[in-house]
Amino acid sequence: GAGVSQSPRYKVAKRGQDVALRCDPISGHVSLFWYQQALGQGPEFLTYFQNEAQLDKSGLPSDRFFAERPEGSVSTLKIQRTQQEDSAVYLCASSISRGGFSYNEQFFGPGTRLTVL
Amino acid sequence: DAKTTQPTSMDCAEGRAANLPCNHSTISGNEYVYWYRQIHSQGPQYIIHGLKNNETNEMASLIITEDRKSSTLILPHATLRDTAVYYCIVRPFITRGTSYDKVIFGPGTSLSVIP
Repeated sequence: GAGVSQSPRYKVAKRGQDVALRCDPISGHVSLFWYQQALGQGPEFLTYFQNEAQLDKSGLPSDRFFAERPEGSVSTLKIQRTQQEDSAVYLCASSISRGGFSYNEQFFGPGTRLTVL
Repeated sequence: DAKTTQPTSMDCAEGRAANLPCNHSTISGNEYVYWYRQIHSQGPQYIIHGLKNNETNEMASLIITEDRKSSTLILPHATLRDTAVYYCIVRPFITRGTSYDKVIFGPGTSLSVIP
């Protein structure tokens, strides 16, 4: 069956541009997570959705980062006025359960590699 | 900060067992030990999890010490496709209602399987 998909897989932006990254979770999965992964580091939590509700956005590094999941399925992570330090792989994960990790594993997408020049 | 410590890197000969250690000395009673791996250019992939008993599945075995302060992930016959970064994570099993804990990944162990 289809797993988590993300698009685009690669994005190059000039500093100051806005970007939008898309995540298609596994159908029926309630929980959706966004992570940021810098080169050589483990993924770091950005934000969490339960259906359409954004229950935790404490990991978003600045107010330039915005995420939404208006219909409780597809999610978009938007970064405004990109800076070089935003260069990273952005991972999306979904889980069937509420509360995310717990008993049901998170399924990760392949990520979007963002490079800001 | 991550609640686990792992070696930065390890090598393993192809066909031999790969034993990846993890220390989690501050683990609490309701926390499970989870292992994920991340192959280059892919997202993390779940491998196995356990509470206090040893666990085995088609991918790996997980050995947890009696005091639960450390564990070892065992890949019994490593192949070149097992080259990846392996993450050991401790995580509460039960989340109450809509509350949940953030998943905290450390830097993991970079395993290189050598032909």
